[in-house]
Amino acid sequence: QSVLTQPPSVSGAPGQRVTISCTGSSSNIGAGYDVHWYQQLPGTAPKLLIYGNSNRPSGVPDRFSGSKSGTSASLAITGLQAEDEADYYCQSYDSSLRGVFGTGTKVTVL
Amino acid sequence: QVQLVQSGAEVKKPGASVKVSCKASGYTFTSYGISWVRQAPGQGLEWMGWISAYNGNTNYAQKLQGRVTMTTDTSTSTAYMELRSLRSDDTAVYYCARDGPATYAFDIWGQGTMVTVSS
Repeated sequence: QSVLTQPPSVSGAPGQRVTISCTGSSSNIGAGYDVHWYQQLPGTAPKLLIYGNSNRPSGVPDRFSGSKSGTSASLAITGLQAEDEADYYCQSYDSSLRGVFGTGTKVTVL
Repeated sequence: QVQLVQSGAEVKKPGASVKVSCKASGYTFTSYGISWVRQAPGQGLEWMGWISAYNGNTNYAQKLQGRVTMTTDTSTSTAYMELRSLRSDDTAVYYCARDGPATYAFDIWGQGTMVTVSS
């Protein structure tokens, strides 16, 4: 049972900018825990996309950016490309240091 | 290179147990924790729990308390996840993932192990 809420789907044309929201509460994101983002291509394991709210691991294009404010976070993809079509999940922790995932968002490139 | 390699697919009957392994290589195993995450068919990601490869401390998801046990074997750099009293809704792909240095983001993932529970 996910406690972080994401929109089920977002879509955009190639080159456009899309954003995915991740809404939590005062017991997880709002308590100060970092938010991380993962990309999951069909049939593969998730891949770390953004860590510590806004940091990109080596090799992740700078088209991907993250931010956090209050009890929410967001992931932005600028210059959308066909290869970005995937499922995206946010993740944080609760006050018991148990991991929590978002409900997941499917990004479609039109 | 840094990688986690998991054991193969399993088919179990309801009520049985399953033990999935996750062998680490390319880094100092005891310097990082390992989390387990599962994904039911067509569903999202679910955090199952975490184990410190340094001292064996664990933290399990509340809904799995009493049914799940996570262990490590530092001599072989392998983490294990055992789930007991299997039910049909435990059918899922099970992933192990390394907790990233100082970030607790899951920076390295195993390839996943499909566990099917069916009579």
